[in-house]
Amino acid sequence: KNEVEQSPQNLTAQEGEFITINCSYSVGISALHWLQQHPGGGIVSLFMLSSGKKKHGRLIATINIQEKHSSLHITASHPRDSAVYICAVMNTGNQFYFGTGTSLTVIP
Amino acid sequence: ETGVTQTPRHLVMGMTNKKSLKCEQHLGHNAMYWYKQSAKKPLELMFVYNFKEQTENNSVPSRFSPECPNSSHLFLHLHTLQPEDSALYLCASSQIAGAPYEQYFGPGTRLTVT
Repeated sequence: KNEVEQSPQNLTAQEGEFITINCSYSVGISALHWLQQHPGGGIVSLFMLSSGKKKHGRLIATINIQEKHSSLHITASHPRDSAVYICAVMNTGNQFYFGTGTSLTVIP
Repeated sequence: ETGVTQTPRHLVMGMTNKKSLKCEQHLGHNAMYWYKQSAKKPLELMFVYNFKEQTENNSVPSRFSPECPNSSHLFLHLHTLQPEDSALYLCASSQIAGAPYEQYFGPGTRLTVT
C-alpha cells in the first residue's frame, strides 16, 4: 500500500465546475505538496502547506493534520486546468512520498 | 535561462549505449534531485545531492551513475540500460535537502531504451 493515496484517479468535468481532489496519507509529515503536471512532463509546485488552508487564484488547498487528509479545490474550472495533479508528503524524517496522481480533464 | 533546465528532452538509446542526462538550475539552490516517473506509478526518488554531496541513493541500480560537480549542475550517466528503464527522468532543486522547502522541477527527459 502506498503511503499516499489520491482520489479519484481520473476526473472529467465540464468547464465552470467546482473540482475537488483528495489526498490521504499514512505517515507523520512536516509538509504536504500539491504538484501539477501538464502533458509533456513538466511539473509545477502549486502549494506547500503544513496546516490550515492556502489560496492562489482559483486554487485552494486545505489540510487536516489530525485526519491525515488534504484536498485541492479548483473553482470555475477551465480546460487549461487539464493536467495530472500529484500529492506529495515529506515525512518527519524529511523523506518524500508521492501519490500516483489524479488525471483531470476539463471539457469546454 | 531561468528555473531548472534539462537536456536532452528526448533520448532513444540501445541497451549497449552510454549516454548522459544533464540538469542545470539557475535558482541558487543547494539541493538537487533525480526522479524516475514510469507510467501509472508514483514518482520515484533516485538520488539526492545537498551542497554537492550525495545524501540519498534509493537502491538505484549501478547502471545509473549520478554526478554533481557543483550545486548548479547535475548529471545522470547511463550505461547498459534495460527496456524497463524507459521512463521520464525528472530533475528538481530546492533550497536545501532534508527540510520542507518547495522543489522546482525541470521539464524532464523522456528516455526510451530499445
